[in-house]
Amino acid sequence: DIQMTQSPSSLSASVGDRVTITCRASQSISSSLNWYQQKPGKAPNLLIFAASSLQSGVPSRFSGSGSGTDFTLTISSLQPEDFATYYCQQSYSTLLTFGGGTKVEIK
Amino acid sequence: QVQLQESGPGLVKPSETLSLTCTVSGGSISSYYWNWIRQPAGKGLEWIGRIFSSGSTNYNPSLKSRVIMSIDTSKNRFSLRLISVTAADTAVYYCARDPKGGFDFWGQGTLVTVSS
Repeated sequence: DIQMTQSPSSLSASVGDRVTITCRASQSISSSLNWYQQKPGKAPNLLIFAASSLQSGVPSRFSGSGSGTDFTLTISSLQPEDFATYYCQQSYSTLLTFGGGTKVEIK
Repeated sequence: QVQLQESGPGLVKPSETLSLTCTVSGGSISSYYWNWIRQPAGKGLEWIGRIFSSGSTNYNPSLKSRVIMSIDTSKNRFSLRLISVTAADTAVYYCARDPKGGFDFWGQGTLVTVSS
């Protein structure tokens, strides 16, 4: 199995802050890394696919980078609607796996 | 706009079989991977497995011995059966589409509780 480790597991930030979330794979996954946002009681929403491609309809303040084993999701200026839990997910192997999640809370 | 809708019993007894169906509307079920993902209350996401429109499957090894997925392209729907359930299988179950670049469309999720 490819293990996905996210850090931090939670963070507190203010509106307007730049926020960075990290995801590390236990082996190289090339650019096969996707990011999701999940709000309470809702299904996850795809933000970024293939490490750095912005999903249609997602605000440009979200960006992704990285390849191999280390990836980041950046929110350039945190908005009130961005307080949520974020997950990374690898689609490199036939066993798809998620990171443990990062909860972004209001400071 | 593609929409997915899970359906099935919300309560299943221990040792029995959990059966869910996901109906796809607004698009064809052909030429995509169709997935089941679950989330226990307050916890993270676990991928259960996927089925391609051809019927080929990949399952999470941790559940493989208990999972059966099927697809009915004529009715634009696919299904999950999880046998011999226990309380540990209590979760919100999601279906999702995967065009090989992330899960781009999801159902709203359905809570399945395993309890006698």
